[in-house]
Amino acid sequence: GAVVSQHPSRVICKSGTSVKIECRSLDFQATTMFWYRQFPKQSLMLMATSNEGSKATYEQGVEKDKFLINHASLTLSTLTVTSAHPEDSSFYICSARPLRGKNEQFFGPGTRLTVL
Amino acid sequence: KQEVTQIPAALSVPEGENLVLNCSFTDSAIYNLQWFRQDPGKGLTSLLLIQSSQREQTSGRLNASLDKSSGRSTLYIAASQPGDSATYLCAANTNAGKSTFGDGTTLTVKP
Repeated sequence: GAVVSQHPSRVICKSGTSVKIECRSLDFQATTMFWYRQFPKQSLMLMATSNEGSKATYEQGVEKDKFLINHASLTLSTLTVTSAHPEDSSFYICSARPLRGKNEQFFGPGTRLTVL
Repeated sequence: KQEVTQIPAALSVPEGENLVLNCSFTDSAIYNLQWFRQDPGKGLTSLLLIQSSQREQTSGRLNASLDKSSGRSTLYIAASQPGDSATYLCAANTNAGKSTFGDGTTLTVKP
């Protein structure tokens, strides 16, 4: 149990396009999901906290208009990278914390974004 | 603001050695601490989770300890194998589920 999926696992796009990444909790409900970004040879940095039914909370330095987060249901959060540029190329990982049960967060497998 | 530091940044050992990876955190008000493994280009594999009230957790050849008051955690790997080669990340977690990660220790186990 407690599986989190991400789609797509890998995406290559042209500069200026927008890319949507989905994060789903497959067998549990999560009111809160988190989005992280990992640049090559660096650790994961929290970008934003996604709350079901309300606006996301962004960490300092993360542009909310560039990284649009929608948490429309208790099992799905989406991250849209708008007008992507090469410097947005990164590994994006989400995590979800169950609404009930285990007091831990479960991480998705990540999405590798490459912007040409 | 929580800061997590992992030492060493890289470690190379011969197969069969026991080894210890270190993780320190600046804010002791954590909810739990988690150790992960990350293979190159891949996502995270959770290894061990220690709640703030616990002192250690064990899984197979892995043992993680937590000293919350001093802001330290260690991951002990017994009888290392080449398949253990990976980057090991520790994360200090709040009760809201927010994780602060260290930069990781890249382990190479030589056959």
